[in-house]
Amino acid sequence: GIQVEQSPPDLILQEGANSTLRCNFSDSVNNLQWFHQNPWGQLINLFYIPSGTKQNGRLSATTVATERYSLLYISSSQTTDSGVYFCAVDSGGSNYKLTFGKGTLLTVNP
Amino acid sequence: DADVTQTPRNRITKTGKRIMLECSQTKGHDRMYWYRQDPGLGLRLIYYSFDVKDINKGEISDGYSVSRQAQAKFSLSLESAIPNQTALYFCATRKGGKETQYFGPGTRLLVL
Repeated sequence: GIQVEQSPPDLILQEGANSTLRCNFSDSVNNLQWFHQNPWGQLINLFYIPSGTKQNGRLSATTVATERYSLLYISSSQTTDSGVYFCAVDSGGSNYKLTFGKGTLLTVNP
Repeated sequence: DADVTQTPRNRITKTGKRIMLECSQTKGHDRMYWYRQDPGLGLRLIYYSFDVKDINKGEISDGYSVSRQAQAKFSLSLESAIPNQTALYFCATRKGGKETQYFGPGTRLLVL
């Protein structure tokens, strides 16, 4: 099946800093989503982005499908951005099942 | 009200007990999924259903069963719970293939 690798596995920032999280995948994709899992375990949809660029406030994402990677940008980070960020994809064809990466654990210190 | 709900939110049970986790959605989506998450890992797919008459195994279905009672309801059962099934369980729904997938709040299960 499709492989999903996220980097870095851990990231520690000071409040106000910017960061870039990366997701590499091994096959063409129908669907790519970024999620934030908060400290209470809740999964929050950030972006549905199988290709192109989107922005939502301080967060933006870019997927270059032909090169099989996606980037999540967090600007002016806040302590509430802490948590685990997951990339999830499903591959082409009729295989509509999300495969998750192992996530990036982000800690934003005040 | 939340679009995807899971009950219970937390559950403690003993080895050998049968337990059911329930998922309901008001989004009108045909596709529903069950995942588990273990500490430090991403989510792994247990079962999925593309409509009421369609049930499929995911990558880690052993020890689990499911029932799709209606378009809006998808239940996960642990026939005989064991400690390594202690995990956070998520239900999810999706309208179609190339659509956003939405997750419920999760159920924390502890098997003693």
